[in-house]
Amino acid sequence: EAAVTQSPRSKVAVTGGKVTLSCHQTNNHDYMYWYRQDTGHGLRLIHYSYVADSTEKGDIPDGYKASRPSQENFSLILELASLSQTAVYFCASSEHQYEQYFGPGTRLTVL
Amino acid sequence: GMPVEQNPPALSLYEGADSGLRCNFSTTMKSVQWFQQNHRGRLITLFYLAQGTKENGRLKSTFNSKERYSTLHIKDAQLEDSGTYFCAAEYAQGLTFGLGTRVSVFP
Repeated sequence: EAAVTQSPRSKVAVTGGKVTLSCHQTNNHDYMYWYRQDTGHGLRLIHYSYVADSTEKGDIPDGYKASRPSQENFSLILELASLSQTAVYFCASSEHQYEQYFGPGTRLTVL
Repeated sequence: GMPVEQNPPALSLYEGADSGLRCNFSTTMKSVQWFQQNHRGRLITLFYLAQGTKENGRLKSTFNSKERYSTLHIKDAQLEDSGTYFCAAEYAQGLTFGLGTRVSVFP
């Protein structure tokens, strides 16, 4: 069974602070993704990566950085958290052009 | 317009009823995934389709890439089918999600 884990599961941050969300997969997948979901909406792609030490911009990358130090790990970094970044963040992994497997999500509240 | 248009936005069903959800795509998609999001927010993958039709118990999904649509059919609805259903289509990078269909099943 595919396994994607995220930490923390929830976090409260202050405006202007730095936030790091972590994702770990044991699927041996090359592709990893970060999405955000706003209340009452679908998910939107922030960043993705298809190989370690390389990241690519998704549809809404502004205000976010990503890091892929290894095949298994993919982090999302908010250098200066803002109120508008309050959302639920999902990580996913996949083989290229195959089914994506999602983690449980991280609920981020920026105050 | 939206690259992935999902209908209806909401659906109310009685237990035992059958119903369907549909996603239309503005352009040709490589594949589609259907998810159920439960009350805890967890995304549960229902189907992944590159083409054709798949069935799993009371659920059935079809993807027609040429005609640019996908459907999800719920048969004999049960209370545990309540939740928000999303379709998501694969473009060149990542998935593009529809806005979801909130399904409520009543006894």
